[in-house]
Amino acid sequence: SAVISQKPSRDICQRGTSLTIQCQVDSQVTMMFWYRQQPGQSLTLIATANQGSEATYESGFVIDKFPISRPNLTFSTLTVSNMSPEDSSIYLCSVGTRGYNEQFFGPGTRLTVL
Amino acid sequence: AQSVTQPDIHITVSEGASLELRCNYSYGATPYLFWYVQSPGQGLQLLLKYFSGDTLVQGIKGFEAEFKRSQSSFNLRKPSVHWSDAAEYFCAVGVGRSQGNLIFGKGTKLSVKP
Repeated sequence: SAVISQKPSRDICQRGTSLTIQCQVDSQVTMMFWYRQQPGQSLTLIATANQGSEATYESGFVIDKFPISRPNLTFSTLTVSNMSPEDSSIYLCSVGTRGYNEQFFGPGTRLTVL
Repeated sequence: AQSVTQPDIHITVSEGASLELRCNYSYGATPYLFWYVQSPGQGLQLLLKYFSGDTLVQGIKGFEAEFKRSQSSFNLRKPSVHWSDAAEYFCAVGVGRSQGNLIFGKGTKLSVKP
């Protein structure tokens, strides 16, 4: 399994600002994923990030709000733009293996928007 | 549409007692099924997975799960619960072999009484 780290681990932000979350993997992986876990809820996939191509967003998520970068096979960033209190969530990245259905998750970034 | 149902939001068991967490899925093709555990303030850890073959799968920490196609279920079991098992448990189904999308249930919170 891959070792995944995320920065920051938590942050408190003001409404209208943006936050960029970093995800670093200790090995090269083809596919990385970004999830959101709203308070008391399950995980929802935001987008799939492939190196060298545009991220693929799930229904209800748009690039202007959640721009993603994937500059190489070990790193990705997710930006939460123009934040509102509704964006308060845990954001998790994961990496895919074995046909991409088996995923390993990072520790998450706990975001609070005031 | 694909979905995962975990009917129990919160379960409390005594330490040393047996445990069964229920999971039902809705998916038209052969499912790839997973159980993840999330301890407070932590990311998700993969407990076990089912791709094919033997319908009884063994995982880490003494957990096992049984895939029953006729019941569209993938229940998680442990014969003797330890206090350290207190956490939130998520069942997930992998949608499409190369799509990498995991559909998660809403989770079951497990509390352990001493």
